[in-house]
Amino acid sequence: GDSVTQMEGPVTLSEEAFLTINCTYTATGYPSLFWYVQYPGEGLQLLLKATKADDKGSNKGFEATYRKETTSFHLEKGSVQVSDSAVYFCALSSRGGGGNKLTFGTGTQLKVEL
Amino acid sequence: GAVVSQHPSRVICKSGTSVKIECRSLDFQATTMFWYRQFPKQSLMLMATSNEGSKATYEQGVEKDKFLINHASLTLSTLTVTSAHPEDSSFYICSAHDLNTEAFFGQGTRLTVV
Repeated sequence: GDSVTQMEGPVTLSEEAFLTINCTYTATGYPSLFWYVQYPGEGLQLLLKATKADDKGSNKGFEATYRKETTSFHLEKGSVQVSDSAVYFCALSSRGGGGNKLTFGTGTQLKVEL
Repeated sequence: GAVVSQHPSRVICKSGTSVKIECRSLDFQATTMFWYRQFPKQSLMLMATSNEGSKATYEQGVEKDKFLINHASLTLSTLTVTSAHPEDSSFYICSAHDLNTEAFFGQGTRLTVV
């Protein structure tokens, strides 16, 4: 079945540091890939997505590229801020759209300090 | 973006009682809603798919008689945890979808059974 593996946290960085959170997946067919963010006490929010190979999703300085050859969708940001502290979830939708159920990774907690 | 409201955000109940959690799509019609359970430091586990006007589809290992799901309208799905026990304590999250939209998540409900 479908599965998503992402690096375990917590990840602690200083403000303005470079961030990478690794995510790899296993799926049949051609899934859509997502990164969701969960701020403390809140629900999940879509951060970015990519629907086909070589697509790059980007939002709020975060970006991730859909790499079919390595089945990866690593999240990166060049300069993190304290306000980026949250839990980040990598996810896939195996039918290729947002209207179907999602398979999530375990989440990676990011803490950014001054 | 679209808004999904989940209520209550926190609830404490006694063992043996039932708890109802509501998930409402506030500005769009949701033909499909999903219910997830999130354990500490773990990923979101899909419990069931709720389709308006029909019976919910439960994932393997989820007790349908314990977690009752009703999707009576295009804007409301409810999850009732019946005869709750301490092991049911968890964070429950819903998401709402239309046929062509991304998933929008509720804020989550922290259930504590004492």
